[in-house]
Amino acid sequence: AQSVTQPDIHITVSEGASLELRCNYSYGATPYLFWYVQSPGQGLQLLLKYFSGDTLVQGIKGFEAEFKRSQSSFNLRKPSVHWSDAAEYFCAVIMEYGNKLVFGAGTILRVKS
Amino acid sequence: EAGVAQSPRYKIIEKRQSVAFWCNPISGHATLYWYQQILGQGPKLLIQFQNNGVVDDSQLPKDRFSAERLKGVDSTLKIQPAKLEDSAVYLCASSSIRGNRYGYTFGSGTRLTVV
Repeated sequence: AQSVTQPDIHITVSEGASLELRCNYSYGATPYLFWYVQSPGQGLQLLLKYFSGDTLVQGIKGFEAEFKRSQSSFNLRKPSVHWSDAAEYFCAVIMEYGNKLVFGAGTILRVKS
Repeated sequence: EAGVAQSPRYKIIEKRQSVAFWCNPISGHATLYWYQQILGQGPKLLIQFQNNGVVDDSQLPKDRFSAERLKGVDSTLKIQPAKLEDSAVYLCASSSIRGNRYGYTFGSGTRLTVV
């Protein structure tokens, strides 16, 4: 079955440290790939997206993600985390044009000072 | 441009009562989605509209949930009667094209607590 996996439920990093959040998908072709962030009590904000071209994509708030076809992964990275980055992060995919957006279970990021 | 508007922000009801949520998508967006987000889980699509027609409602518990999109703009999601397991955040989203590569724009959600 087509699915999206975020292996880490919680991640804690120190402020100023680098961050990588993992995402894997199960699908035969390359889907459209997204990362969303959700702060407590807020809706989902789109950080970045990938659908073709350069496999390293830049997003808002200093985030980037790299698509690796061979690993079916789309990991989110940030070189230096700020306390305001504490939130829940969701990887999501659209498997085919016209299909629905499917979310992973999310990773909660905690930032310690 | 204005975002996706949802109301109310919070709702507390007793089980077996009914409740309704409202969504106003971004102007001009033909596609509207309702997602259910249970605590600790990712959002799950309940229903998808293209203009005022239903495209996908395969995950909608039709014995208690209903939704409509009048005139292809605003939408209402109703639960009747509510169960404890319906406690969740209900997110509305819209996009200009169904399932497109640009993603969706989400509203702030309605947090429902069923007691």
